[in-house]
Formats: sequence, C-alpha cells, structure tokens
Amino acid sequence: GAVVSQHPSRVICKSGTSVKIECRSLDFQATTMFWYRQFPKQSLMLMATSNEGSKATYEQGVEKDKFLINHASLTLSTLTVTSAHPEDSSFYICSASDRVPNEQYFGPGTRLTVT
Amino acid sequence: AQSVTQLDSHVSVSEGTPVLLRCNYSSSYSPSLFWYVQHPNKGLQLLLKYTSAATLVKGINGFEAEFKKSETSFHLTKPSAHMSDAAEYFCVVSYYNTDKLIFGTGTRLQVFP
Repeated sequence: GAVVSQHPSRVICKSGTSVKIECRSLDFQATTMFWYRQFPKQSLMLMATSNEGSKATYEQGVEKDKFLINHASLTLSTLTVTSAHPEDSSFYICSASDRVPNEQYFGPGTRLTVT
Repeated sequence: AQSVTQLDSHVSVSEGTPVLLRCNYSSSYSPSLFWYVQHPNKGLQLLLKYTSAATLVKGINGFEAEFKKSETSFHLTKPSAHMSDAAEYFCVVSYYNTDKLIFGTGTRLQVFP
C-alpha cells in the first residue's frame, strides 16, 4: 500500500534555530501534500496544502514566513520551522495524496521540542 | 461549512464486547466521511470511508460505520473489541470538491482484558 515517511521522527532544537522536516511518499507520486499540526490530546489542524512545483496554500492563521513549505518533487515535501520558539513545540504530521480524491496517506509524524 | 463532532473523548470497553464510537457531522451537501485510527508512534491509518455509495461501510479490522443522513451521524462500530484496538480514533469530513480534511477532536478507546 501507499507509504509515507517522515524524517526525523523526533527533534529537539534550541530557541531561535530552524528545523527542517521531510515528508516522502515512498511508493507513489504525490500530487498534493498536506502538513498538519497536532497539539497534545487534540485533533489535527491543517496548516497548509502544497502541490508539486507551486507555492503552498496556507490556512488562516498560519504564518507562511515561519513555516516554509517546499514541494520540489512528486515524492518529497519539506516543512521548515524558522526561528523556532517553545510554542512551536508540537507533533507535525504530513500526508500525501495521489489522484484519488480525498484519499490521503499519513506519515508517522515528527515530534518537535523547542527548548 | 463542514464540521464533525465526536461526542465522546474517551470510551472504555472490555475485550470481546461491542465498540461504539459516535460521530455527527454538519455539511450543507452530501459529504465524504472517514474514520482514521492513530496508534502511538504510528501514522494515521484509514479504517473506512463513505463517499455516497452504500450507506453501510465496512472497513479494516472488523470495523464498520453507517451513514445516516436523517441523523447526520456516522458512528463507528465493531462487534467484539480486541486489545489491539486500543488507540485514538478520528472522524473526518472532507471539504466539497477539495482534498481538505476536517478532523474531529478524537476518541480514545481503551480496551480492558
């Protein structure tokens, strides 16, 4: 079946530094990738949608200059948290979609801790 | 606007007894509805989806859900719980004609021996 990986699975960084998270579709070409954020014991909130080769579409309230998304190929999207602060600590999950409407395949998530 | 409400944040059952996880949706047109399961340290896994075909949808691991338009519900059921079913379950609705998913707040299922 469709497999999506994320790297790293966990990352701890210091306040003010930037962190890059990778999302890869391993066995299919992802025309669209999504980035979610999940706070402890809460639901997933969509941050942005990215299509290969074009700029990401950010949800209301998500700072595009803070959360940089690049979808350079059909199998890779990256999320860079710039100038991270402790409040950016969260669980970040990506998903990927091929051409089947509404069908998203989720990565295992990345736990970011900013100290 | 679409939304989903998961009525129970926690559900506890004994192994071998039925499971019922409740979900109500709000949508101005016929929605696509999904149930996902999240095990610790694993990615979200699709259990089943409804996309305007049969109203009773069968999914993986013995789960099924019934779309009831009159009640705007899409409850998830399983006849007999297994210890491995313990996880977080999310009811999800999609935006009309887009790939965007809206997640419910989740229900944590505990299964006791």
